[in-house]
Amino acid sequence: EAAVTQSPRSKVAVTGGKVTLSCHQTNNHDYMYWYRQDTGHGLRLIHYSYVADSTEKGDIPDGYKASRPSQENFSLILELASLSQTAVYFCASSDDISGNTLYFGEGSRLIVV
Amino acid sequence: GDSVTQKQGQVTLSEDDFLFINCTYSTTTYPTLFWYVQYPGQGPQLLLKVTTANNKGISRGFEATYDKGTTSFHLQKASVQESDSAVYFCALVRTGNYKYVFGAGTRLKVIA
Repeated sequence: EAAVTQSPRSKVAVTGGKVTLSCHQTNNHDYMYWYRQDTGHGLRLIHYSYVADSTEKGDIPDGYKASRPSQENFSLILELASLSQTAVYFCASSDDISGNTLYFGEGSRLIVV
Repeated sequence: GDSVTQKQGQVTLSEDDFLFINCTYSTTTYPTLFWYVQYPGQGPQLLLKVTTANNKGISRGFEATYDKGTTSFHLQKASVQESDSAVYFCALVRTGNYKYVFGAGTRLKVIA
């Protein structure tokens, strides 16, 4: 069974603080993604990666960095958290063999105060 | 750029009602089309997928037809159950591309 696990599942951060959201997949997939979910906006792509040690900007990358140290791990980093970054963040993986099907994690709820 | 439109933000039905969720898309190619479902407290999961080769997808009683003429991919189910209550996302991926374009989602509430 494909598996994508995220940590932490929930976090409260202080404005201006640093936040790291981690994602680990056991699917052996090449592609990994970070999405943000806000009510009324669906899922918006922040960063993605198709190979270790390389990341690409998605549609809303401002204020976020990403790191892919290995095929299995993909992190999202908020260097200076802001109130507007309060949201639920989802990590996902995919590959050609799965027909581009996205396998999502359970989500990380971030509240910035 | 590519876009996916779901006009219905929320749909409320009674059990055994017919479900219709509207989805239209805009792109310059023939993409693969998806419906994902997100149950409360979970990440989205694939419900069904349709490519240009097969035109119709059916899964768990849901079905969607790829209509290139009207660029639509509406989701239907003959008889909904309370357990179908969830958020449904329509999405597309261009052939040879890995970037998804998602619709805003439609929240389905089914009342027993």
